[in-house]
Amino acid sequence: AQSVTQLDSHVSVSEGTPVLLRCNYSSSYSPSLFWYVQHPNKGLQLLLKYTSAATLVKGINGFEAEFKKSETSFHLTKPSAHMSDAAEYFCVVSAGGGSNYKLTFGKGTLLTVNP
Amino acid sequence: GAVVSQHPSRVICKSGTSVKIECRSLDFQATTMFWYRQFPKQSLMLMATSNEGSKATYEQGVEKDKFLINHASLTLSTLTVTSAHPEDSSFYICSASGAGEETQYFGPGTRLLVL
Repeated sequence: AQSVTQLDSHVSVSEGTPVLLRCNYSSSYSPSLFWYVQHPNKGLQLLLKYTSAATLVKGINGFEAEFKKSETSFHLTKPSAHMSDAAEYFCVVSAGGGSNYKLTFGKGTLLTVNP
Repeated sequence: GAVVSQHPSRVICKSGTSVKIECRSLDFQATTMFWYRQFPKQSLMLMATSNEGSKATYEQGVEKDKFLINHASLTLSTLTVTSAHPEDSSFYICSASGAGEETQYFGPGTRLLVL
Protein backbone atom coordinates (compact mmCIF):
# COMPACT_ATOMS: atom_id res chain seq x y z
CA ALA A 1 0.00 0.00 0.00
CA GLN A 2 1.09 3.54 -0.53
CA SER A 3 0.04 6.95 0.65
CA VAL A 4 0.90 10.59 0.29
CA THR A 5 0.63 13.32 2.91
CA GLN A 6 0.77 16.95 1.95
CA LEU A 7 1.55 18.69 5.17
CA ASP A 8 -0.04 22.05 4.37
CA SER A 9 -3.48 22.55 2.89
CA HIS A 10 -2.73 26.21 2.18
CA VAL A 11 0.51 28.12 1.69
CA SER A 12 0.63 31.86 1.20
CA VAL A 13 3.74 33.68 -0.02
CA SER A 14 4.63 37.09 -1.37
CA GLU A 15 5.65 37.51 -4.98
CA GLY A 16 9.40 37.11 -5.33
CA THR A 17 9.84 35.03 -2.15
CA PRO A 18 10.66 31.31 -2.02
CA VAL A 19 8.03 28.61 -2.20
CA LEU A 20 8.11 25.37 -0.20
CA LEU A 21 5.32 22.81 -0.53
CA ARG A 22 5.84 19.78 1.66
CA CYS A 23 5.09 16.18 0.83
CA ASN A 24 5.76 12.92 2.64
CA TYR A 25 5.08 9.53 1.15
CA SER A 26 4.73 5.95 2.25
CA SER A 27 5.47 3.07 -0.11
CA SER A 28 6.46 -0.55 0.23
CA TYR A 29 8.93 -0.32 -2.65
CA SER A 30 10.98 2.28 -4.51
CA PRO A 31 8.34 4.74 -5.61
CA SER A 32 7.96 7.05 -8.54
CA LEU A 33 6.81 10.45 -7.38
CA PHE A 34 5.22 13.34 -9.20
CA TRP A 35 4.12 16.88 -8.64
CA TYR A 36 1.16 18.14 -10.64
CA VAL A 37 -0.33 21.63 -10.72
CA GLN A 38 -3.99 22.47 -11.26
CA HIS A 39 -5.22 25.94 -12.07
CA PRO A 40 -8.89 26.73 -11.33
CA ASN A 41 -11.33 24.67 -13.38
CA LYS A 42 -8.49 23.13 -15.37
CA GLY A 43 -6.93 19.71 -15.68
CA LEU A 44 -3.61 18.74 -14.15
CA GLN A 45 -0.24 19.68 -15.59
CA LEU A 46 2.88 17.67 -14.82
CA LEU A 47 5.52 19.79 -13.09
CA LEU A 48 8.15 17.14 -12.53
CA LYS A 49 8.70 13.48 -11.72
CA TYR A 50 11.20 11.34 -9.83
CA THR A 51 11.93 7.85 -11.11
CA SER A 52 14.99 6.67 -9.15
CA ALA A 53 17.55 8.60 -11.15
CA ALA A 54 18.87 11.90 -9.75
CA THR A 55 17.40 12.74 -6.36
CA LEU A 56 17.13 16.43 -7.23
CA VAL A 57 14.58 16.80 -9.97
CA LYS A 58 14.13 19.95 -12.00
CA GLY A 59 10.76 20.68 -13.50
CA ILE A 60 9.01 23.31 -15.51
CA ASN A 61 8.54 26.95 -14.53
CA GLY A 62 11.54 26.97 -12.17
CA PHE A 63 10.22 24.33 -9.79
CA GLU A 64 12.34 21.55 -8.39
CA ALA A 65 11.94 18.78 -5.84
CA GLU A 66 14.34 16.67 -3.85
CA PHE A 67 13.74 13.01 -3.09
CA LYS A 68 14.96 12.14 0.41
CA LYS A 69 14.55 8.46 1.12
CA SER A 70 15.67 8.73 4.75
CA GLU A 71 12.95 11.30 5.41
CA THR A 72 10.42 9.80 2.97
CA SER A 73 9.93 13.29 1.63
CA PHE A 74 9.57 14.90 -1.78
CA HIS A 75 9.19 18.61 -1.11
CA LEU A 76 8.57 21.05 -3.96
CA THR A 77 10.48 24.33 -4.06
CA LYS A 78 10.88 27.41 -6.18
CA PRO A 79 13.33 30.23 -5.41
CA SER A 80 11.03 33.09 -6.36
CA ALA A 81 7.25 32.94 -6.57
CA HIS A 82 5.37 34.50 -9.46
CA MET A 83 1.74 35.55 -9.45
CA SER A 84 1.03 32.92 -12.11
CA ASP A 85 2.14 30.19 -9.69
CA ALA A 86 -1.05 30.59 -7.69
CA ALA A 87 -2.81 27.23 -8.06
CA GLU A 88 -3.46 23.88 -6.39
CA TYR A 89 -0.49 21.52 -6.20
CA PHE A 90 -0.73 17.75 -5.85
CA CYS A 91 1.99 15.37 -4.74
CA VAL A 92 1.43 11.95 -6.29
CA VAL A 93 2.95 8.47 -5.94
CA SER A 94 2.71 5.71 -8.53
CA ALA A 95 1.73 2.15 -7.68
CA GLY A 96 4.06 0.64 -10.24
CA GLY A 97 3.51 -1.43 -13.37
CA GLY A 98 1.85 -4.32 -11.59
CA SER A 99 -1.10 -2.06 -10.83
CA ASN A 100 -1.28 -0.33 -14.19
CA TYR A 101 0.68 2.55 -12.67
CA LYS A 102 -2.27 3.73 -10.61
CA LEU A 103 -1.65 7.05 -8.94
CA THR A 104 -2.31 7.95 -5.34
CA PHE A 105 -2.88 11.67 -4.81
CA GLY A 106 -2.22 13.84 -1.82
CA LYS A 107 -5.05 16.12 -0.71
CA GLY A 108 -3.45 19.10 -2.39
CA THR A 109 -1.87 22.36 -1.29
CA LEU A 110 -3.37 25.63 -2.37
CA LEU A 111 -0.65 28.17 -3.11
CA THR A 112 -1.60 31.82 -2.84
CA VAL A 113 0.83 34.46 -4.12
CA ASN A 114 0.38 37.96 -2.77
CA PRO A 115 1.55 41.02 -4.69
CA GLY B 1 3.58 16.51 -27.01
CA ALA B 2 1.35 14.32 -24.82
CA VAL B 3 -1.83 16.31 -25.18
CA VAL B 4 -5.13 14.99 -23.92
CA SER B 5 -8.45 16.62 -24.72
CA GLN B 6 -11.90 16.20 -23.24
CA HIS B 7 -15.28 17.03 -24.67
CA PRO B 8 -17.47 18.65 -23.60
CA SER B 9 -15.79 20.99 -21.16
CA ARG B 10 -19.08 21.69 -19.46
CA VAL B 11 -22.48 20.02 -19.60
CA ILE B 12 -25.81 20.60 -17.89
CA CYS B 13 -28.43 17.89 -18.06
CA LYS B 14 -31.73 16.95 -16.51
CA SER B 15 -31.99 14.28 -13.85
CA GLY B 16 -32.56 10.85 -15.38
CA THR B 17 -30.77 11.51 -18.64
CA SER B 18 -27.43 10.09 -19.75
CA VAL B 19 -24.32 12.06 -20.54
CA LYS B 20 -21.28 10.96 -22.55
CA ILE B 21 -17.84 12.47 -22.02
CA GLU B 22 -15.04 11.88 -24.50
CA CYS B 23 -11.33 11.71 -23.75
CA ARG B 24 -8.83 11.77 -26.60
CA SER B 25 -5.08 11.51 -26.77
CA LEU B 26 -4.10 13.84 -29.58
CA ASP B 27 -0.48 13.01 -30.29
CA PHE B 28 0.24 9.62 -28.76
CA GLN B 29 -1.30 6.19 -28.43
CA ALA B 30 -2.95 5.77 -25.08
CA THR B 31 -2.90 2.12 -24.14
CA THR B 32 -4.27 2.96 -20.72
CA MET B 33 -6.78 5.63 -19.77
CA PHE B 34 -7.97 6.60 -16.33
CA TRP B 35 -11.13 8.36 -15.21
CA TYR B 36 -11.17 10.49 -12.08
CA ARG B 37 -13.76 12.45 -10.20
CA GLN B 38 -12.99 15.59 -8.25
CA PHE B 39 -15.31 17.26 -5.76
CA PRO B 40 -14.87 20.95 -4.94
CA LYS B 41 -11.68 21.69 -3.06
CA GLN B 42 -10.80 18.01 -2.88
CA SER B 43 -8.27 15.74 -4.47
CA LEU B 44 -8.83 13.43 -7.42
CA MET B 45 -10.48 10.07 -6.84
CA LEU B 46 -9.79 7.31 -9.32
CA MET B 47 -13.00 5.83 -10.68
CA ALA B 48 -11.70 3.29 -13.18
CA THR B 49 -8.80 2.18 -15.33
CA SER B 50 -9.24 1.03 -18.89
CA ASN B 51 -6.84 -0.65 -21.27
CA GLU B 52 -7.55 -0.41 -24.98
CA GLY B 53 -9.78 -3.25 -26.12
CA SER B 54 -10.45 -4.54 -22.60
CA LYS B 55 -13.15 -4.04 -20.02
CA ALA B 56 -12.52 -1.29 -17.54
CA THR B 57 -11.44 -2.05 -14.00
CA TYR B 58 -13.52 -0.09 -11.51
CA GLU B 59 -12.44 1.09 -8.09
CA GLN B 60 -14.29 -0.09 -5.05
CA GLY B 61 -17.57 1.73 -4.59
CA VAL B 62 -17.88 2.87 -8.21
CA GLU B 63 -20.97 1.47 -9.95
CA LYS B 64 -19.91 0.01 -13.27
CA ASP B 65 -23.47 0.00 -14.58
CA LYS B 66 -23.85 3.68 -13.85
CA PHE B 67 -20.48 4.84 -15.15
CA LEU B 68 -19.98 3.07 -18.46
CA ILE B 69 -16.48 3.22 -19.86
CA ASN B 70 -15.47 2.33 -23.38
CA HIS B 71 -11.89 2.34 -24.65
CA ALA B 72 -12.31 1.11 -28.19
CA SER B 73 -9.26 2.71 -29.75
CA LEU B 74 -5.79 3.85 -28.78
CA THR B 75 -6.85 7.48 -28.88
CA LEU B 76 -10.37 7.53 -27.49
CA SER B 77 -12.11 6.58 -24.28
CA THR B 78 -15.63 7.54 -23.29
CA LEU B 79 -17.37 7.78 -19.95
CA THR B 80 -21.15 7.64 -19.97
CA VAL B 81 -23.00 8.65 -16.85
CA THR B 82 -26.30 6.81 -17.10
CA SER B 83 -29.50 8.05 -15.46
CA ALA B 84 -27.67 10.98 -13.97
CA HIS B 85 -28.79 12.42 -10.65
CA PRO B 86 -27.81 15.66 -8.90
CA GLU B 87 -25.32 13.80 -6.71
CA ASP B 88 -23.40 12.89 -9.88
CA SER B 89 -22.61 16.55 -10.43
CA SER B 90 -18.86 16.85 -10.30
CA PHE B 91 -15.68 17.57 -12.22
CA TYR B 92 -14.64 14.54 -14.25
CA ILE B 93 -11.04 14.31 -15.43
CA CYS B 94 -9.45 11.72 -17.66
CA SER B 95 -5.79 10.88 -18.08
CA ALA B 96 -3.87 8.75 -20.54
CA SER B 97 -0.55 6.96 -20.68
CA GLY B 98 1.35 5.11 -23.37
CA ALA B 99 2.50 1.49 -23.33
CA GLY B 100 4.69 0.84 -20.30
CA GLU B 101 4.57 4.53 -19.51
CA GLU B 102 4.25 5.57 -15.89
CA THR B 103 3.45 9.22 -16.45
CA GLN B 104 -0.20 10.11 -16.89
CA TYR B 105 -1.20 13.09 -19.00
CA PHE B 106 -4.42 14.73 -17.94
CA GLY B 107 -7.28 16.22 -19.89
CA PRO B 108 -8.74 19.62 -19.01
CA GLY B 109 -11.76 18.12 -17.27
CA THR B 110 -15.51 18.16 -17.78
CA ARG B 111 -17.83 19.98 -15.40
CA LEU B 112 -21.11 18.06 -15.10
CA LEU B 113 -24.16 19.67 -13.52
CA VAL B 114 -27.28 17.56 -13.14
CA LEU B 115 -30.45 19.50 -12.41
